[in-house]
Amino acid sequence: GESVGLHLPTLSVQEGDNSIINCAYSNSASDYFIWYKQESGKGPQFIIDIRSNMDKRQGQRVTVLLNKTVKHLSLQIAATQPGDSAVYFCAEGAGTALIFGKGTTLSVSS
Amino acid sequence: ETGVTQSPTHLIKTRGQQVTLRCSSQSGHNTVSWYQQALGQGPQFIFQYYREEENGRGNFPPRFSGLQFPNYSSELNVNALELDDSALYLCASSFYGGSTDTQYFGPGTRLTVL
Repeated sequence: GESVGLHLPTLSVQEGDNSIINCAYSNSASDYFIWYKQESGKGPQFIIDIRSNMDKRQGQRVTVLLNKTVKHLSLQIAATQPGDSAVYFCAEGAGTALIFGKGTTLSVSS
Repeated sequence: ETGVTQSPTHLIKTRGQQVTLRCSSQSGHNTVSWYQQALGQGPQFIFQYYREEENGRGNFPPRFSGLQFPNYSSELNVNALELDDSALYLCASSFYGGSTDTQYFGPGTRLTVL
């Protein structure tokens, strides 16, 4: 798989590889974190979320890791597929609003 | 696909005009949030409506206003349109349970201001 440091705007992987997308958040008081996938011309699609009382949560082919000490969030996608190609956003929630980070464009080649 | 719908899909206006965008929330949800997404950027929070009242607002001027109806659907109104208002406007619905909850987005309305 391919790992990246703190936010890179693009990530290119081969089909079948594991992908890791990183995100730094800003507000220590944020208690909710969420990853969205956005395909061209569509609205953001929910992938997975995590609350601040957890440090790891798994879904189908996806895992979110939360490190509150360094205010860092990551999304791991196992066995990346061409259909995973999209822009991925992390968002933090504190109160009513979601605050979105800069997106990462994931390109999967077969 | 979420159950959140938005209309219209696309809209072209000229500077100074007014626009109304509409959103129907997902069944079982009582809260609607609106976001503005400029090209190449992440969505920015405009405001949220809960129980037909504004329940939080981002850094947007008063010419951005909204409504929520008893059936939980919502409108976003923008007066005195400026060129920089050109963006994708996203509506998200959720069930407000006292803390930040998962927001599910609609497909958006693409607004172009000429």
